[in-house]
Amino acid sequence: EAQVTQNPRYLITVTGKKLTVTCSQNMNHEYMSWYRQDPGLGLRQIYYSMNVEVTDKGDVPEGYKVSRKEKRNFPLILESPSPNQTSLYFCASSPSVGQGGGRGYTFGSGTRLTVV
Amino acid sequence: GESVGLHLPTLSVQEGDNSIINCAYSNSASDYFIWYKQESGKGPQFIIDIRSNMDKRQGQRVTVLLNKTVKHLSLQIAATQPGDSAVYFCAEKPPQGAQKLVFGQGTRLTINP
Repeated sequence: EAQVTQNPRYLITVTGKKLTVTCSQNMNHEYMSWYRQDPGLGLRQIYYSMNVEVTDKGDVPEGYKVSRKEKRNFPLILESPSPNQTSLYFCASSPSVGQGGGRGYTFGSGTRLTVV
Repeated sequence: GESVGLHLPTLSVQEGDNSIINCAYSNSASDYFIWYKQESGKGPQFIIDIRSNMDKRQGQRVTVLLNKTVKHLSLQIAATQPGDSAVYFCAEKPPQGAQKLVFGQGTRLTINP
């Protein structure tokens, strides 16, 4: 089944403790992206990657890092999480940047992160 | 800055009625628009899309209308069913090489029996 898999689904952590949220897609998509979803603010892009070893900042990149060493994986790293990073996170992938990026967006099921 | 918003945060309709969810976008140069459906506990799922050179597109029970003059997008769902209960997001894709979608805040659609 074609899908984007995120882990973990739920995570409670303490301020300052480094964590990684994994994202993997099995569709051979070039484009991957991370979003956070907050009440009243909708979905906001954190980082995106157009291909292996190519990453760039989205709208809200502060406090996050990403890497794209393999085409299928796009982990989101919080080096020193803070309470304002408590949110619902979604990873998404798409076949090609040139294909509009919308129809081909497949989202993961989300990771609910709480930083205390 | 760019923003996509929805006129109403919540919408309740009777089962079997038609639903209309509205969206206003701000970037007149955006060339591609998408509606997503997000059910509780799940990620957004693609419903229907439309390019800026069109003003209407129909799918199965859904129709998207685009009015570029007033920068307005709407999603019409015919004969709503309980399974249509969800949050609906519109999204726009700005044209200048931006590799992202700009999402609205979402409208929660509730179907009353």
